[in-house]
Amino acid sequence: ETGVTQSPTHLIKTRGQQVTLRCSSQSGHNTVSWYQQALGQGPQFIFQYYREEENGRGNFPPRFSGLQFPNYSSELNVNALELDDSALYLCASSLPGNRGETQYFGPGTRLLVL
Amino acid sequence: KQEVTQIPAALSVPEGENLVLNCSFTDSAIYNLQWFRQDPGKGLTSLLLIQSSQREQTSGRLNASLDKSSGRSTLYIAASQPGDSATYLCAVGNAGNMLTFGGGTRLMVKP
Repeated sequence: ETGVTQSPTHLIKTRGQQVTLRCSSQSGHNTVSWYQQALGQGPQFIFQYYREEENGRGNFPPRFSGLQFPNYSSELNVNALELDDSALYLCASSLPGNRGETQYFGPGTRLLVL
Repeated sequence: KQEVTQIPAALSVPEGENLVLNCSFTDSAIYNLQWFRQDPGKGLTSLLLIQSSQREQTSGRLNASLDKSSGRSTLYIAASQPGDSATYLCAVGNAGNMLTFGGGTRLMVKP
């Protein structure tokens, strides 16, 4: 059983560019959540996908968008990058459950916007 | 809006000491509470998950308690070791298991 993987591990972009981050969920997990973690802070929830549909969204603007594919892997897209988008982006997968299941996090993608 | 606070923000202890990390949350309507460990520049490792109906969970030297009514959780680490040095994050989950995190406690255990 493989864990959650993310690519790329590091990325440097300039303001105004667009970026796509990728996540492969743990085997059998059909729920994927994305989080943004600024330096020295706790992660903030961006959105969650369940069976290819957006299932919930945090307080992030529409330029943050996502996709989930039939194999449950997922993408996070960010348009019109801003300096404040520099952060560690974490993906987590889990099984759906009435009371919540343990979320398994990937190693993250560190994005630097110059 | 749920807010999660962790105290202290940083902690330095000598090896072998027992310690307690605190987490508080403003909305008691939670479905679960999770404690995670994060090593520098890395992802999160789940330590303990407490369902809303439970009062505590234990794993090895770790014990986490939950008092939903008062909006508090504690993580107890027994006989701390240098390998325990990391940032510990508390997160509360809602009905969809979307997590709200605290700011973390940076723990340093000195040999």
